[in-house]
Amino acid sequence: KQEVTQIPAALSVPEGENLVLNCSFTDSAIYNLQWFRQDPGKGLTSLLLIQSSQREQTSGRLNASLDKSSGRSTLYIAASQPGDSATYLCAVRKGYSSASKIIFGSGTRLSIRP
Amino acid sequence: DTGVSQDPRHKITKRGQNVTFRCDPISEHNRLYWYRQTLGQGPEFLTYFQNEAQLEKSRLLSDRFSAERPKGSFSTLEIQRTEQGDSAMYLCASSIRDRLAGGGNTGELFFGEGSRLTVL
Repeated sequence: KQEVTQIPAALSVPEGENLVLNCSFTDSAIYNLQWFRQDPGKGLTSLLLIQSSQREQTSGRLNASLDKSSGRSTLYIAASQPGDSATYLCAVRKGYSSASKIIFGSGTRLSIRP
Repeated sequence: DTGVSQDPRHKITKRGQNVTFRCDPISEHNRLYWYRQTLGQGPEFLTYFQNEAQLEKSRLLSDRFSAERPKGSFSTLEIQRTEQGDSAMYLCASSIRDRLAGGGNTGELFFGEGSRLTVL
C-alpha cells in the first residue's frame, strides 16, 4: 500500500532563506509525483510535475527532485518571500498509468516571516 | 477557459438534508476526480470518471454519496442525509488523458477552488 509522508508538518523561516520541503513514499512504483500549493480555504495549485523517468523539474525559484529508489522527493524554494506562505502538498500517482490512483501527503504548512 | 470551476463555494446545511455540488472541468479534459479534504489533512480520493464512465470509487464513498458525469462534461456529487462527519472541503480535479508535447501522458491534475460543506 502506497503511503506518502511529509515532514515537518509545519515550518517557519525568515524571509530570504532557501528552504527544502520533504516528501517520502513507500512504494517506488510510481507514474509521477506532483507538488501543489494550497492557500487557506482554497483549492490546490499545481507547482511542478515530475514523471517517473525524470530526476528534477524547475520553475522559477522552485526546484523539485525525485529519487524513486529511496522513495523521496524534495521541493527547494530559493530566496523565500512572505507570499510563499502556504501549505505545500506532494501527491504520488501509483503504478504505471496516467489513470492510476493518486495519494496525497498531509502537507507542510510553510510560514515565511518578513 | 479559466480552469476547473466548482459550485457552490460554501454550503451550510442541517444534518439530514441533501446537498449537491457541481464541478465543471477544463473543457478538453476527459478525466475528472472528486476528493475530500478535512482540516490539516491531504485530499482523500473519492471517485474518478473517464468521460461519462465512473471507473473507480473509494470505500470512503458510502451509499449516501453518489456522483455522476452524464455527458462526460460537468459532474455532480450528491450527499444524501448529511451527517456532521461529512463536513469537509470537497475538491474536484481534472486531467487530460493525452498531452501532445513529447507524446507522453503526463496525468497532471488541475484542481478547482473547492466546495466547503458545513453540516450543523
